[in-house]
Amino acid sequence: QVQLVQSGAEVKKPGSSVKVSCKASGGTFRSYAFSWVRQAPGQGLEWMGGIIPIFGTANYAQKFQGRVTFTADESSGTAYMELSSLRSEDTAMYYCGRGHYIDSSGYYALDYWGQGTLVTVSS
Amino acid sequence: EIVLTQSPGTLSLSPGERVTLSCRASQSVSSSYLAWYQQKPGQAPRLLIYAASSRATGIPDRFSGSGSGTDFTLTISRLEPEDFAVYYCQQYGFSPLTFGGGTKVEIK
Repeated sequence: QVQLVQSGAEVKKPGSSVKVSCKASGGTFRSYAFSWVRQAPGQGLEWMGGIIPIFGTANYAQKFQGRVTFTADESSGTAYMELSSLRSEDTAMYYCGRGHYIDSSGYYALDYWGQGTLVTVSS
Repeated sequence: EIVLTQSPGTLSLSPGERVTLSCRASQSVSSSYLAWYQQKPGQAPRLLIYAASSRATGIPDRFSGSGSGTDFTLTISRLEPEDFAVYYCQQYGFSPLTFGGGTKVEIK
């Protein structure tokens, strides 16, 4: 069955970077798109962007542009999200989600989700 | 970007009741690319409905979605104890993908 397994919780200092992994199993990795969604404590869901391995394209929400990088390693079936210049407001649960793609920059609904990775930014 | 407004913010209901949740978009959602998710405390969201009215795999038929353009609805025909959760709508027709603020369905 399909599973997305994310890396463990992280505690980071302001100004540093964090890299979260999302290992997919079940299904052909390059046949899907992978999105990253974050949820601040007690808040709603926010799409950060995503990556479509078959096209090699990454798309970023404007809010995160320049500070986040999405990559994918097809050989290991793993997607990555790296967020830099961390600040306290980045403290959140970060989820990866898998879905079909519409085109090279279009994402379908997320039918499978990782368990989430809590990133805490604190001095 | 498309702003999704969900109403009401919170619903207090009893098991067995019918519930209707609303999601209104600031502009027309392309090709009815609208999804609904359920999230329980401490869990990742779960896809319920995609393309406005199609149930995801394994979702009970008490969940149904409808709507087009700017107005969408999620209906739970008869609330089960496990349905008490937060529900989010999401549009995926335009980038950036956006979510509504959520509706919490709590036990009365």
